[in-house]
Amino acid sequence: GAGVSQSPSNKVTEKGKDVELRCDPISGHTALYWYRQSLGQGLEFLIYFQGNSAPDKSGLPSDRFSAERTGGSVSTLTIQRTQQEDSAVYLCASLIPNRNTEAFFGQGTRLTVV
Amino acid sequence: AQKITQTQPGMFVQEKEAVTLDCTYDTSDQSYGLFWYKQPSSGEMIFLIYQGSYDEQNATEGRYSLNFQKARKSANLVISASQLGDSAMYFCAMREGDSNYQLIWGAGTKLIIKP
Repeated sequence: GAGVSQSPSNKVTEKGKDVELRCDPISGHTALYWYRQSLGQGLEFLIYFQGNSAPDKSGLPSDRFSAERTGGSVSTLTIQRTQQEDSAVYLCASLIPNRNTEAFFGQGTRLTVV
Repeated sequence: AQKITQTQPGMFVQEKEAVTLDCTYDTSDQSYGLFWYKQPSSGEMIFLIYQGSYDEQNATEGRYSLNFQKARKSANLVISASQLGDSAMYFCAMREGDSNYQLIWGAGTKLIIKP
């Protein structure tokens, strides 16, 4: 597809279960972000991948959160032992990392932990 | 310290009026870029407009323009002739420096256009 694709679009999971969220960036975009957005709030930075550089994981809220990006393309965000406070929309964005290029966002995954 | 500040959590504007959404930023870099995004209730993030720190003219894109005041470190978004479909959250973001293309986001402004 032409845009950033995220799956699933919605995920309901039981507290304590692990979940995996997927992001397919735009082809050729070497930079990729994961954000979390709670209802009515701004974007909370989670992790940033840029080419072959070590990812910036400074935004991951706990060691239950991890992410990887395989082959410089698809990225997965994994949340282990989910908690109710993990409920949010998880947004992925990709871009060509130049100063003046905009980030393109996926539609997000709405995660609900019950 | 906040790097991007959006001081208006919410705004109500009459349809067809112009609206200015405030954004101030803090950086010591000479090279940076400023972005505005719109997020309607459907949730998608829509890129609106970009202003580079070295751009001498204010950016414009259709009904959107950016009032860039470099000395005051402000990059306000102006929407002319507002429409009901402009109701959304609006986010200001900055990318600074040449070696790290991290985006720094403001908290957003919720704009509601009244008919």
